[in-house]
Amino acid sequence: EAQVTQNPRYLITVTGKKLTVTCSQNMNHEYMSWYRQDPGLGLRQIYYSMNVEVTDKGDVPEGYKVSRKEKRNFPLILESPSPNQTSLYFCASRHPGQLYNEQFFGPGTRLTVL
Amino acid sequence: SQKIEQNSEALNIQEGKTATLTCNYTNYSPAYLQWYRQDPGRGPVFLLLIRENEKEKRKERLKVTFDTTLKQSLFHITASQPADSATYLCALVSGGYNKLIFGAGTRLAVHP
Repeated sequence: EAQVTQNPRYLITVTGKKLTVTCSQNMNHEYMSWYRQDPGLGLRQIYYSMNVEVTDKGDVPEGYKVSRKEKRNFPLILESPSPNQTSLYFCASRHPGQLYNEQFFGPGTRLTVL
Repeated sequence: SQKIEQNSEALNIQEGKTATLTCNYTNYSPAYLQWYRQDPGRGPVFLLLIRENEKEKRKERLKVTFDTTLKQSLFHITASQPADSATYLCALVSGGYNKLIFGAGTRLAVHP
């Protein structure tokens, strides 16, 4: 089944404790992206990647890191999480060669930083 | 400043009626606009894409219009069903096609 998977689905942590949210897709998509979703603000892009070893900042990159060492994986790293990073996070991927094509979203990771 | 606005209030309609959701934008010139459905606790799911040179697009009971003069897209669900209850997000393709800019979404509740 074609899908985007994220782990963990739920995470409660404390301020300053480094964490990684994994994202993997099995559709051979070149483009991958991370979003956060907050009430009233909608989905905001954190980082995106056009291909392996190619990443770029989205609209809200502060406090986040990403890496793209393999096409299928795009982990999101919070080196020193803070309470304002409490949010619902989504990973997404898109079919190669179609810049305006639909994005496929993962199931989401609900993060709480105490 | 750039803005995408969707009705923040939930839309409540009776089963069988047509639901109409609005997406307005300012200070964008999007070439494409997409609509997604999001159920509670799940990721958005793509529904429709419409290009700037298309006035209308249909898919089964769904219809999307795109008016670049008014800077508005309307999303219609005809013969609505309780299973259509969800939050609907509009998104503009922007930033050299590398970004999707999302609205905050409108929650639709279809009552039997």
